[in-house]
Amino acid sequence: DIQMTQSPSTLSASVGDRVTITCRASQSVSTWLAWYQQKPGKAPKLLIYKASSLESGVPSRFSGSGSGTEFTLTISSLQPDDSATYYCQQFSSSCTFGQGTKLEIK
Amino acid sequence: QVQMVESGGGVVQPGTSLRLSCAASGFTFSSYTLHWVRQAPGKGLEWVAVMSPDGRLIYYADSVKGRFTISRANSENTQSLQMNSLRAEDTALYYCARQTYGNYWFFDLWGRGTLVTVSS
Repeated sequence: DIQMTQSPSTLSASVGDRVTITCRASQSVSTWLAWYQQKPGKAPKLLIYKASSLESGVPSRFSGSGSGTEFTLTISSLQPDDSATYYCQQFSSSCTFGQGTKLEIK
Repeated sequence: QVQMVESGGGVVQPGTSLRLSCAASGFTFSSYTLHWVRQAPGKGLEWVAVMSPDGRLIYYADSVKGRFTISRANSENTQSLQMNSLRAEDTALYYCARQTYGNYWFFDLWGRGTLVTVSS
């Protein structure tokens, strides 16, 4: 199975900050990677697919990049509503998720 | 309204069975591949199972293979997950998730989940 490792596990940042979350795969997944946002008590929400494609309706401050084994999710200007846990997911071989990154607003 | 609603969760003892359902509305159910994804309390996401729209392709996570069975009824817009020989580690919120873009296993629509608790 392909293992996905996110860093950091928790992150605290201020409104307006540029925030980056990293996801590493145990083997190459090409660009078969998605990012989700999950708020407490809610289902995950798709943000990015195929590493860098923005899902319809998702604010443009969210962006994704990377290929192979290293990927990043960037929030260009952090907003209060972005407080959530973020998960990466590979779909190159079956499906596995990272352990999550909890983003808090200072 | 495009949505999926899971049901059937509850508190059960180890070794027993439970059947979950996912009722879809607002989209052409028979055109979409649906998955089950679970989340243990306070933990991350774990993919569980998938069935293709025609029912011919079925895959399971190793952790549930041989114990869980996925099925669907396109005429009723429902997908089910029969869970047998339940274990404490199966305790989780079970989500139904829709795969939209081709054969790629990522999910644009999720239900709100149904909670399964396995405890003696």
